[in-house]
Amino acid sequence: DSGVTQTPKHLITATGQRVTLRCSPRSGDLSVYWYQQSLDQGLQFLIQYYNGEERAKGNILERFSAQQFPDLHSELNLSSLELGDSALYFCASSPPTGAGQYFGPGTRLTVT
Amino acid sequence: GNSVTQMEGPVTLSEEAFLTINCTYTATGYPSLFWYVQYPGEGLQLLLKATKADDKGSNKGFEATYRKETTSFHLEKGSVQVSDSAVYFCALRSNSGGSNYKLTFGKGTLLTVNP
Repeated sequence: DSGVTQTPKHLITATGQRVTLRCSPRSGDLSVYWYQQSLDQGLQFLIQYYNGEERAKGNILERFSAQQFPDLHSELNLSSLELGDSALYFCASSPPTGAGQYFGPGTRLTVT
Repeated sequence: GNSVTQMEGPVTLSEEAFLTINCTYTATGYPSLFWYVQYPGEGLQLLLKATKADDKGSNKGFEATYRKETTSFHLEKGSVQVSDSAVYFCALRSNSGGSNYKLTFGKGTLLTVNP
C-alpha cells in the first residue's frame, strides 16, 4: 500500500459525459501528479500540482482539467468524453524533495 | 526532450534464470532514474532508484546501476521467481525543473516467469 488513494476504482460512462476522478496523496506530500496509461500511448504525464498550484502540464487535452484543494487532495475532471479516453488514470504523490513518486491503485475509465 | 527506451518484450524465463531488462535514456543534465513494477491489476510500485552517476539501486534482489557514460540503467536479478512476473517500467526524472518532478516512462517490459 503506497498511501495514495484513488476513487472510484472503476468508472463506466457514455461518450459526451463528464466524470471526476479523485486522489488523496500520502500524508505530508505536497505534489500530486496525474498520469494516463493506455495500450497505445503507454504511461503519459498529464499534469502536476504543488501545494495547490499548477506546476507543470504534459499531454493533457483541453477537455481535461484538474485542481488541488487546500487539504491537498486532487481531482481530475474529464469532459466531453470520447471512446479514446478509455484508459487507466493514475495519481501519484511525492514529498517536497521529490525523491520518488508513489502511485495510487488507479481508476479504470471505460467510455462506451 | 527527455526519453526512455526499454527493450521490447515480452520476456519469458524459467524460475531461477538470470534477468536483464535493458534501459537507455536521453536527457539534459543529470536526471534521476527509477524502475517501477506493475503487477497484474495493480498500480505502479517503486522498485528502486538512483540519483547520480555510478549509484546502484537495489531492492528485493533486483539491481540497476546508473551509467552516465552509456546513458543506461539496466535492471538485473540473479534468480527470478514466478512471483516476479509483472510489467517493469524504466523512468527518469529531470532535476533541472525546480519542483517539476514529472516522470518520463519507457513503454514497459512484460516479464513472465514459468515454474
